[in-house]
Amino acid sequence: DAGVTQSPTHLIKTRGQQVTLRCSPKSGHDTVSWYQQALGQGPQFIFQYYEEEERQRGNFPDRFSGHQFPNYSSELNVNALLLGDSALYLCASSYGSANYGYTFGSGTRLTVV
Amino acid sequence: EDKVVQSPLSLVVHEGDTVTLNCSYEVTNFRSLLWYKQEKKAPTFLFMLTSSGIEKKSGRLSSILDKKELFSILNITATQTGDSAIYLCAGGSEKLVFGKGTKLTVNP
Repeated sequence: DAGVTQSPTHLIKTRGQQVTLRCSPKSGHDTVSWYQQALGQGPQFIFQYYEEEERQRGNFPDRFSGHQFPNYSSELNVNALLLGDSALYLCASSYGSANYGYTFGSGTRLTVV
Repeated sequence: EDKVVQSPLSLVVHEGDTVTLNCSYEVTNFRSLLWYKQEKKAPTFLFMLTSSGIEKKSGRLSSILDKKELFSILNITATQTGDSAIYLCAGGSEKLVFGKGTKLTVNP
């Protein structure tokens, strides 16, 4: 039973560029949530997708956008990258919008130079 | 503003010691309090607490929630080097508000 799969595992981008991160949820899960974890900090909620719609959003600018596909996989897009966007981006999947049974992926380490 | 505060931020103990990690929270739309262990990247689930005063146990780990005082603790008895990790506490419902974590180092 595959867990949450994220790609790529590492990424280096230049300021001003755009990036797309991908997440495949655990089998049987239909909800995907994205978190940003800066070094030495706890994860911060970016947004949650359920039924291909953004249901909840954290305190992140519009440069952060996402999408969920009919197969429940999801993408996180970040435009106009800033140095401060350097972080570990974690995807968590669950069944339904509640956080019961959250399973986290191993994350994508994004470095903006 | 929602916040979750964990203490201590860092802890160094010897194998066999017992540790208590603390978590206080102020989260709107609170439904549950969760504890995670983060060793490298993916946080792994430890406990979810929704009711006050009911202790949850898993091996050497246990946790309890006080919804009146907005507080939770995670206890680890007879610590082992494999317990070395960052322990994250989070509260919320659809979205989770995380603390900064407690970095636990268990020395042999």
